[in-house]
Amino acid sequence: DQQVKQNSPSLSVQEGRISILNCDYTNSMFDYFLWYKKYPAEGPTFLISISSIKDKNEDGRFTVFLNKSAKHLSLHIVPSQPGDSAVYFCAAISFNQGGKLIFGQGTELSVKP
Amino acid sequence: GAGVSQSPSNKVTEKGKDVELRCDPISGHTALYWYRQSLGQGLEFLIYFQGNSAPDKSGLPSDRFSAERTGGSVSTLTIQRTQQEDSAVYLCASSWDVTHLNEKLFFGSGTQLSVL
Repeated sequence: DQQVKQNSPSLSVQEGRISILNCDYTNSMFDYFLWYKKYPAEGPTFLISISSIKDKNEDGRFTVFLNKSAKHLSLHIVPSQPGDSAVYFCAAISFNQGGKLIFGQGTELSVKP
Repeated sequence: GAGVSQSPSNKVTEKGKDVELRCDPISGHTALYWYRQSLGQGLEFLIYFQGNSAPDKSGLPSDRFSAERTGGSVSTLTIQRTQQEDSAVYLCASSWDVTHLNEKLFFGSGTQLSVL
């Protein structure tokens, strides 16, 4: 049972344009959502998060949007830079159902100069 | 260093052998997680420790897998009688108390396990 899904395994974007990475979830009890970025041979690193009581959180070039009714969140990167090329994982947690963070399958973003 | 440390970084073993993977979390972090990433797959939850509570073992794929966390700090993931499908990158992560709403996990660089 995949509670967090990233249906696009890869995305290619031109430098300077917007990158939009999508994530869907099935568990309405999730309280918090996070995005992680992973370079090859490194562990994932935290990028941005959003509480379930909000619908938007912005940090520099990165904005996360949450649509609770659709159980959908997205990460927008604008403008995209070649250094953003990495695998992006969305993750979710339900504090009432234990503390484990559930990850999606990841989307590999390639930003071309 | 101040980050999550995992050892070894690479491990090659023969099918049927036992392996132990070690994780040193960030000092003071009470929550510790193990995940694995198989080739072309996402991050699969294995086990989670939070302070003195009983660990959440719901992600362990079989009884060949076990994990301990001694003294609330270092953790060891043991895989007995390894199989080729166990080949993956095993990632350890730690965080402050999970009840903090700003939940962030700090990951180690992982152990690449190859079972021949």
